[in-house]
Amino acid sequence: AQSVTQLGSHVSVSEGALVLLRCNYSSSVPPYLFWYVQYPNQGLQLLLKYTSAATLVKGINGFEAEFKKSETSFHLTKPSAHMSDAAEYFCAVINQAGTALIFGKGTTLSVSS
Amino acid sequence: KAGVTQTPRYLIKTRGQQVTLSCSPISGHRSVSWYQQTPGQGLQFLFEYFSETQRNKGNFPGRFSGRQFSNSRSEMNVSTLELGDSALYLCASSLGQGKDEQYFGPGTRLTVT
Repeated sequence: AQSVTQLGSHVSVSEGALVLLRCNYSSSVPPYLFWYVQYPNQGLQLLLKYTSAATLVKGINGFEAEFKKSETSFHLTKPSAHMSDAAEYFCAVINQAGTALIFGKGTTLSVSS
Repeated sequence: KAGVTQTPRYLIKTRGQQVTLSCSPISGHRSVSWYQQTPGQGLQFLFEYFSETQRNKGNFPGRFSGRQFSNSRSEMNVSTLELGDSALYLCASSLGQGKDEQYFGPGTRLTVT
């Protein structure tokens, strides 16, 4: 079975600081991994996806994630946080059939000025 | 291109009633997936439809059902509502070919009293 674990349910950073949101996966087959962001009272917006083409994936809004097979990790980073980055972030893996996303519990990012 | 739309956005129902939620996918997308989001359980997969056929179903009771029409629009129905069915119901669409990314609608907030 496939699964993802997000370490840290809440991360707080100052504006301008590095953002690091952690995600570890478990999969018996090469995984397809995704990061989504959810703002209050909204649906999920796709930030980026990993499909084995490149280990460093660049997404929208300055976010990127690096796939590390040896560490079974897919951490999300952004060099400099903005107030507008405050939201909940979800890491997900798609199942082998490609029909269902399996989500982590989410990490709430707070950004202070 | 218009995004995924869901109607209604908010709904209040009483225990024992039934409810139908609607989802219109992105034009050209043939796969529609449904997810339930609650504070306690997080994001959980309900079911996925492709070309009017259910390809996958999550671990939910038979009170939860869905269907997809020839224009790819989808509906989900919950019968005999329980308090625990209060949640944000999210619909996502994709091309449905392989492990492509899913795009989410804004969700329907269902409150059961």
